[in-house]
Amino acid sequence: QLHLQESGPGLVKPSETLSLTCNVSGGSITNFTFYWGWIRQPPGKGLEWIGTIYYTGTTYYNPSLQSRATASLGTAKNQFSLTLTSVTAADTAMYHCASFDTGLMVYDTWGPGIMVTVSS
Amino acid sequence: SYELTQPPSVSVSPGQTARITCSGEALPKKYAYWYQKKSGQAPLVVIYEDKKRPSGIPERFSGSGSGTTATLTISEAQVEDEADYYCYSTDSSGDHEVFGGGTKLTVL
Repeated sequence: QLHLQESGPGLVKPSETLSLTCNVSGGSITNFTFYWGWIRQPPGKGLEWIGTIYYTGTTYYNPSLQSRATASLGTAKNQFSLTLTSVTAADTAMYHCASFDTGLMVYDTWGPGIMVTVSS
Repeated sequence: SYELTQPPSVSVSPGQTARITCSGEALPKKYAYWYQKKSGQAPLVVIYEDKKRPSGIPERFSGSGSGTTATLTISEAQVEDEADYYCYSTDSSGDHEVFGGGTKLTVL
């Protein structure tokens, strides 16, 4: 069974770059039955899809974040990552990584999330 | 960009039927999915492909769709069903995913 765990800084300064990593255990990120996604939830608000990366490295992003978001695979360490540039207070949120089951077409395994605050 | 619209809140008494709607222009062509999210827990799929129920999800959860609206129905709602519910789908291209704004279900 897959287990996902986010890691990264809990505090980022405005205008800087946020970098997060999702460590995957219990399965390979090159497994074609999964895609890998990033979803966030600002305090008191709803879920927001950030982006998804396929095992091929193909990426798709939320149009509202496309210019600032980059997802990548780290196959050597069985992890995938997200960078978000030029952050503002609006990027303060709980960030989750999740596996997307291509059979059911659902995010079926989620990391516990990491709270990221953008503040000087 | 593409949006899915949900009511902010729905409230029912225990044993009543709760219905949560989700509206989106692409829903006639794209499946709707429903996630249940309780505070401090990861989201859980309760309905996929409009009306299918994953194993382990109680039969009181059902989904339906008509035109641009998908509906999650919780029959005989229980206090334990209190949660935020999010619909999920993609735009017409299939390349961009989207969550609805979420509906807070109160069973009281």
